[in-house]
Amino acid sequence: SAVISQKPSRDICQRGTSLTIQCQVDSQVTMMFWYRQQPGQSLTLIATANQGSEATYESGFVIDKFPISRPNLTFSTLTVSNMSPEDSSIYLCSVGDSLNSPLHFGNGTRLTVT
Amino acid sequence: AQSVTQPDIHITVSEGASLELRCNYSYGATPYLFWYVQSPGQGLQLLLKYFSGDTLVQGIKGFEAEFKRSQSSFNLRKPSVHWSDAAEYFCAVGALGSGTYKYIFGTGTRLKVLA
Repeated sequence: SAVISQKPSRDICQRGTSLTIQCQVDSQVTMMFWYRQQPGQSLTLIATANQGSEATYESGFVIDKFPISRPNLTFSTLTVSNMSPEDSSIYLCSVGDSLNSPLHFGNGTRLTVT
Repeated sequence: AQSVTQPDIHITVSEGASLELRCNYSYGATPYLFWYVQSPGQGLQLLLKYFSGDTLVQGIKGFEAEFKRSQSSFNLRKPSVHWSDAAEYFCAVGALGSGTYKYIFGTGTRLKVLA
C-alpha cells in the first residue's frame, strides 16, 4: 500500500493566518482526498484533489477558504486560510487507486487555532 | 445522496464477549463498503472491505462483516473482544458522485472494553 507523508504533523496558529499542509505519496495514485476530523467527530470530506485541474469541493467548503493544489500524481497541498478557532481540527490526506480499492490515510495534521 | 449511518455512538462490552457494530448505508448502486478502526492517537486502519461476491467478508484482527442488501446494512462482528480492540470504528461507503469518486464515512462508534 502507498506510504503517505503529511507535514506538518501538528501546528498551533493564530487566528487570521493561513497554514499549508503538504501530502506526499511514495507512488502515483489516482485519487487524493482531503478530510477534516473535528475533535470526537467523524471524517468529513473537504474536497477531491484533481491532478492538473481545480479541486472538487463538498457542500460547505469553498476554494477561497481551503485552496488545494495537486501538481502531479504524488503530491497535494491543502491551505487553511484566514483561520479561526473553529478550524481547529485534524486534517487528513488520503489516497486511493479506484472506487473498489480502500483509502489509505496519512497520519494527519493536528491544527490548533488560538 | 449517499450516506452512512452508525446508530450506536458508544458501545461497552466485556473482554471475551461478542461484538456487533451496526452500519446502514444509502446508495443507489452497488456499494463499495469498508470498515476502518482508529485507535487513540493513531491513524485510520482498514479492517475489511466488500466489493462483490461472498457477502460475509473476513478482515484483520479476527473481525468479519456481513453485507445484507435487503437491509442496506454492513455490520461488523467479532466473536470475542480483546481489550486492545477499544477504539473508534468507522463504516464507509465508496460512491460515484458528480463524475468523481468519493468515500463517505459514518459518524463512528466508540468501543469501550471492560476487563
